[in-house]
Amino acid sequence: EAGVVQSPRYKIIEKKQPVAFWCNPISGHNTLYWYRQNLGQGPELLIRYENEEAVDDSQLPKDRFSAERLKGVDSTLKIQPAELGDSAVYLCASKKPGSATGELFFGEGSRLTVL
Amino acid sequence: LAKTTQPISMDSYEGQEVNITCSHNNIATNDYITWYQQFPSQGPRFIIQGYKTKVTNEVASLFIPADRKSSTLSLPRVSLSDTAVYYCLVGETETNRDDKIIFGKGTRLHILP
Repeated sequence: EAGVVQSPRYKIIEKKQPVAFWCNPISGHNTLYWYRQNLGQGPELLIRYENEEAVDDSQLPKDRFSAERLKGVDSTLKIQPAELGDSAVYLCASKKPGSATGELFFGEGSRLTVL
Repeated sequence: LAKTTQPISMDSYEGQEVNITCSHNNIATNDYITWYQQFPSQGPRFIIQGYKTKVTNEVASLFIPADRKSSTLSLPRVSLSDTAVYYCLVGETETNRDDKIIFGKGTRLHILP
């Protein structure tokens, strides 16, 4: 079974430029999460989807961040314009419905460097 | 959401048993305790979950005392490849609830040869 796939793995951009990250969750997993992880810190939740509905986006900086999950499968996280402080690893995770443990399956992440 | 407290870092040697303790004084009745492991340049990976007493799987054991205000992740006979960050999380796992999954800073475990 394929895991959570994210792209790109690495991205370097100048500040004020836009950037987008893509996530393909495990097939059948209807819950999808985006986390941001700063160096030396734990992952911080940005947004959670149940199918195509964003059920928790309270931590998403909506002035520059946006996300979508069309058709309830793949998801895209966009930053426009990027700032220096956005440098981090952006992690996508998915969870299958009815999971007894609530186990999250994470992708390898997209490392963003803003210059 | 119950807050968790765990040591920032730990060192141990290959072949030793490592115990990482997590405090969660405000754990709620419906909360489970879950541990994740994260290697550099990878996303976190689920290790083990428990509600009370002891849980064991092929990777680790989880010990939870009766008052559930703390828990201990036990890694038997560690190797260099167990060097990672270990996160303790507390929360409900029912999918029909508001299941925020919140990570703290974790414990950086460094295994020495």
